[in-house]
Amino acid sequence: ELKVEQNPLFLSMQEGKNYTIYCNYSTTSDRLYWYRQDPGKSLESLFVLLSNGAVKQEGRLMASLDTKARLSTLHITAAVHDLSATYFCAVAQYNNNDMRFGAGTRLTVKP
Amino acid sequence: GAGVSQSPSNKVTEKGKDVELRCDPISGHTALYWYRQRLGQGLEFLIYFQGNSAPDKSGLPSDRFSAERTGESVSTLTIQRTQQEDSAVYLCASSLSHNGGRVSGNTIYFGEGSWLTVV
Repeated sequence: ELKVEQNPLFLSMQEGKNYTIYCNYSTTSDRLYWYRQDPGKSLESLFVLLSNGAVKQEGRLMASLDTKARLSTLHITAAVHDLSATYFCAVAQYNNNDMRFGAGTRLTVKP
Repeated sequence: GAGVSQSPSNKVTEKGKDVELRCDPISGHTALYWYRQRLGQGLEFLIYFQGNSAPDKSGLPSDRFSAERTGESVSTLTIQRTQQEDSAVYLCASSLSHNGGRVSGNTIYFGEGSWLTVV
């Protein structure tokens, strides 16, 4: 059974600092997604990672995928308050329609 | 429409009543998902539709839950004899053809959700 673990679950950062969120999954996967969710809102797609070594960047966020280690990271550079949200990773397999989500990382960026 | 549309946005119902939740996917999207998100928790897969193929119902938690989809358009999630533990946000998502992901890796777009409260 595919399991997805994120850590940390809660993260409080100072503005301007860097930090990394980790997403580990239990079985072979070929698609990994990162989403952002603001309180009371739906999910916003951030990144789709398809291959080993894939790296994507958008603004202060950078996501990478290591399929051999079954690990994806979401790196935050010079955090700003607007990045405060909950971040989810989700993993799907080639022949499986069930996109499994991690529990989410609730990020708070403080001035 | 421009995005995935869900209705109602909020629903309060009495325990034991049936509810229907509707999802209009993005036009042209053949893949449609339903997820449930309880307060403060992650997303729980419920059901998946892909074109005219048989739906993947493996995530439905009980036989009180069912879903239909008309062709490649609207989907309805029905919860019969609602219980308090059914209170959650029900999220619908759609994407272009779910081609195993190796080639497409298409972005999956989520609706705003239907907030269900069972009292």
